[in-house]
Parts: sequence; C-alpha cells; structure tokens
Amino acid sequence: KQEVTQIPAALSVPEGENLVLNCSFTDSAIYNLQWFRQDPGKGLTSLLLIQSSQREQTSGRLNASLDKSSGRSTLYIAASQPGDSATYLCAVNYNNAGNMLTFGGGTRLMVKP
Amino acid sequence: DVKVTQSSRYLVKRTGEKVFLECVQDMDHENMFWYRQDPGLGLRLIYFSYDVKMKEKGDIPEGYSVSREKKERFSLILESASTNQTSMYLCASSLVGATDTQYFGPGTRLTVL
Repeated sequence: KQEVTQIPAALSVPEGENLVLNCSFTDSAIYNLQWFRQDPGKGLTSLLLIQSSQREQTSGRLNASLDKSSGRSTLYIAASQPGDSATYLCAVNYNNAGNMLTFGGGTRLMVKP
Repeated sequence: DVKVTQSSRYLVKRTGEKVFLECVQDMDHENMFWYRQDPGLGLRLIYFSYDVKMKEKGDIPEGYSVSREKKERFSLILESASTNQTSMYLCASSLVGATDTQYFGPGTRLTVL
C-alpha cells in the first residue's frame, strides 16, 4: 500500500528559529508532491508543489525539497513567526493514482513568541 | 483567485436523515473531490469526479454517494446519516492534469446525533 508519513507529529519552537518538517513516501513513481497548510477548523491552503522532475521549490521563507530516490521531502521554514503556527500536510500524487492524492498525517507546528 | 465554496460551515443532523453537502468552484476545473478528515486518520478521499456525470470511488465510499450535474458543482450525499459519519468534510477542485494543484474549500463540520 502506498503511504505518506510525516515526522514529527507535533513541534514547538521559539520565534525566529529555522525549522525542517519531514515527509516520506513509499514509492518513487510519483507525479508530484505538495505541501499544504491548515489552520484549526479551516480548509487546506497549497504552499508549494514540486513536480517529479524538480528538486526544490521556494516561496518566500519556505523551501521544499524532493528526493524521489530516497522517498523524502522536506519543508524548510526560515525565521519562524507565531503566524506560522498551523498544521502542515504533505500529499503525494502517485503515478498509478490518476489525480488522487495520498496525504500524510500532518505536523502540528507551534511557534512561541 | 480560485474559489471553492461549501454550502455550510457547520451542520447538525439526526441519525437516519438524508444529508446533502454542496461544493461549488468558479475556475472551470474538470476535477472535483470530496474528502473527510478525522483526528488520527488524516484526510481520506471519499469520491472524485473528473467530468460532469463521471465519478470514481476513493478510499472510503461506503455510505456516501455523489452527484455532478454541472461542471462547477459537486454534491456529497449521505443517504442515511449515521453517527460514525460525524466528521470534517472538505471539497477540492483541480484542472485535469495530474500535475496540477488541488484547491480546497473551507470545510463543513458535520455532526450526526
């Protein structure tokens, strides 16, 4: 079964710290990998999408990398702020799944002032 | 900006009732999706549709049906609501390509008493 795993499940850091969230997947045959943000009780907001041919994507203080051969992606957040507090979800579009995404369980991030 | 709207943010229904959850997108997307999100289980795909009147089962279709009569609207139907269908329901849409991002609505928190 194709799965997506995110570690850690929860993370608490002081404001200003640089941090890395991890995502691992079980099959390297993927179309793309996405990182989403979810605030409590809300829907998901797409942060970054990395196509299978790409190694990384950047948006502002966020940088996502993709290593298909090892089945890993990381989301790097620079100079974290309290407003970054949310749950971050990784989702993989596997080649044999058409348009369906497989989600990880998420990492709940708290950035303390 | 892509906008995905869901008919209700909160809904309370009784066991055995027929429940309709509606989702509308305004970007002429071919694909539309229904997920449910539960603590500890993450996001799971219920159904998705890749065209009007077309649908495919996701991971957990039991107890649900869907309807897509118009391209912009995708409805999730609980024929006879049960307490184990209490959950957060999220709708999403995307363009037809497997490489395109999914855009999510704000979610509907359904409680079945």
